[in-house]
Amino acid sequence: GDSVTQMEGPVTLSEEAFLTINCTYTATGYPSLFWYVQYPGEGLQLLLKATKADDKGSNKGFEATYRKETTSFHLEKGSVQVSDSAVYFCALTGGGNKLTFGTGTQLKVEL
Amino acid sequence: NAGVTQTPKFQVLKTGQSMTLQCAQDMNHNSMYWYRQDPGMGLRLIYYSASEGTTDKGEVPNGYNVSRLNKREFSLRLESAAPSQTSVYFCASRDRAVTEAFFGQGTRLTVV
Repeated sequence: GDSVTQMEGPVTLSEEAFLTINCTYTATGYPSLFWYVQYPGEGLQLLLKATKADDKGSNKGFEATYRKETTSFHLEKGSVQVSDSAVYFCALTGGGNKLTFGTGTQLKVEL
Repeated sequence: NAGVTQTPKFQVLKTGQSMTLQCAQDMNHNSMYWYRQDPGMGLRLIYYSASEGTTDKGEVPNGYNVSRLNKREFSLRLESAAPSQTSVYFCASRDRAVTEAFFGQGTRLTVV
């Protein structure tokens, strides 16, 4: 079945550092890929998405490129801020409209 | 816009009790989902409903039942609660497979 593997956290960075959170997936066909973010005490909200190979999703300085050859969708940001501290989830939709999430990566950004 | 509304926000149950978690969305979405979130486990899909009138099992359906009452509402029932069902439960909805899913604020359930 479909699955998503994320790098384990927590990840602790200094403000203005470069961020990479790795995500790889297993799915049949051509899944759509997503990154969601969860701030403390809240539900998840969409950060960005890509629906076909080589698409780049971007939002709020975050980017991720759909790489079919490596089945990856790594999240990057050039300069993180304290306000980016949250839990980040990689997710995919394969067949049947099922939405499958990874285990989440907690990011903590310090001054 | 209310979006996705879950009730209750908090609940404490005794082992063996039953309860229903309610979820309603006002965005005319076709698909609805129930997840549980546990530390270190991420979000695990319990059940989902791709469209009104259909429901399917997710990754961890045992001990739960669901009802897609109409297009707006998707409820999750625990018939006989167990401590292993202590978790935070999220309901979500979306229109199509390539579109954004919207989440409720969650229900924090403790089974003692």
